[in-house]
Amino acid sequence: QSALTQPRSVSGSPRQSVTISCTGTSGDVGGYNYVSWYQQHPAKAPKLMIYDVSKRPSGVPDRFSGSKSGNTASLTISGLQAEDEADYYCCSYAGSFTWVFGGGTKLTVL
Amino acid sequence: EVQLVESGGGLVQPGRSLRLSCAASGFTFNDYAMHWVRQAPGKGLEWVSGISWNSGSIGYVDSVKGRFTISRDNAKNSLYLQMNSLRAEDMALYYCAKGGIERGLDYWGQGTLVTVSS
Repeated sequence: QSALTQPRSVSGSPRQSVTISCTGTSGDVGGYNYVSWYQQHPAKAPKLMIYDVSKRPSGVPDRFSGSKSGNTASLTISGLQAEDEADYYCCSYAGSFTWVFGGGTKLTVL
Repeated sequence: EVQLVESGGGLVQPGRSLRLSCAASGFTFNDYAMHWVRQAPGKGLEWVSGISWNSGSIGYVDSVKGRFTISRDNAKNSLYLQMNSLRAEDMALYYCAKGGIERGLDYWGQGTLVTVSS
């Protein structure tokens, strides 16, 4: 049950694109297509942005997209906007009804 | 509108117990798995425990196994977390979240704060 590995921080200018990686193992990210991504603004509850690797909940802009290759999942945010500045967490199902989160990535919009 | 409202947090001494509750509304509670996720001050999210719709599947993070017990009462639309033998490292904001293996954790409460200190 080790945390998934994410970069501690990423940054980008408005209208640019950024990608946040999330590396796990064959026991979690690589073994299941159940990776989700969450956005958390300061002092707010997390918000689901991507589920099942690449699916977007209703209301999430299509600027947010997800993908997976092997043991690494990725969240790409295109056309960066100021309101995208937040912490982002990946999460993967890890079997036996357990889940694991990544350590979180702070996105700064320059 | 889906609502998840946590309660039961507070200040507790190391080694003591606390029971968290989560009152759910706005959806058919007994159709969905539920979870507890915590966040220590200034730290990231940590999945703590999950329970399937019928309590048939239950999981815990290793650090709480044997100390925490998750349960639910579908008749009361409520989720619980019994926390025993609390440690300083259990101090965190505890969130209740709805979701199963598929579709992620799609709704979250605002959290209840657990402080462990003598």
